[in-house]
Amino acid sequence: AQRVTQPEKLLSVFKGAPVELKCNYSYSGSPELFWYVQYSRQRLQLLLRHISRESIKGFTADLNKGETSFHLKKPFAQEEDSAMYYCALSPYNNNDMRFGAGTRLTVKP
Amino acid sequence: ETGVTQSPTHLIKTRGQQVTLRCSSQSGHNTVSWYQQALGQGPQFIFQYYREEENGRGNFPPRFSGLQFPNYSSELNVNALELDDSALYLCASKGGGFDYGYTFGSGTRLTVV
Repeated sequence: AQRVTQPEKLLSVFKGAPVELKCNYSYSGSPELFWYVQYSRQRLQLLLRHISRESIKGFTADLNKGETSFHLKKPFAQEEDSAMYYCALSPYNNNDMRFGAGTRLTVKP
Repeated sequence: ETGVTQSPTHLIKTRGQQVTLRCSSQSGHNTVSWYQQALGQGPQFIFQYYREEENGRGNFPPRFSGLQFPNYSSELNVNALELDDSALYLCASKGGGFDYGYTFGSGTRLTVV
């Protein structure tokens, strides 16, 4: 069975500092990985997908199959990045998606 | 505008009762999933429907059941409510392939007393 682990429940950085939100997964096949974000009083929304290799709002995430990780990174954090971030995994060719417990990021001025 | 709407937004039920939560998916999205999110936790997968048939289920008992309709709406039914069923219930839909992300609704906050 697939599992997603986000080891940090809380993460606090200062504005302009680099930020990395960790995500580790376990799955025997080829997973598809996602990062979702939930800003205050808003619904959960897709931030980025592993397969698209895109940068959204300055965030990037690289799938490391050797380390089974999909960490989310941004070189210079902004106050508006403060939110709850969830890593999620979907097995290849399967619509079932499993979420990690989430990391609350706070960017201080 | 996400296109996924859930009703009601809040609900209070008594232990042992039954509840039906409703979701209207984005037009064209033939896959819908339901999640339970307890306070301080990530969303937990309940089940998924594709073209009106259940095609995936998480670790939830049979008293959690669902339906999906041709008009892109769906229901989550929970029988014999327990106090631990108190949570935010999220509906999420998507079209396209496995690599497309879900569009989430705002959720229904269920409180069982």
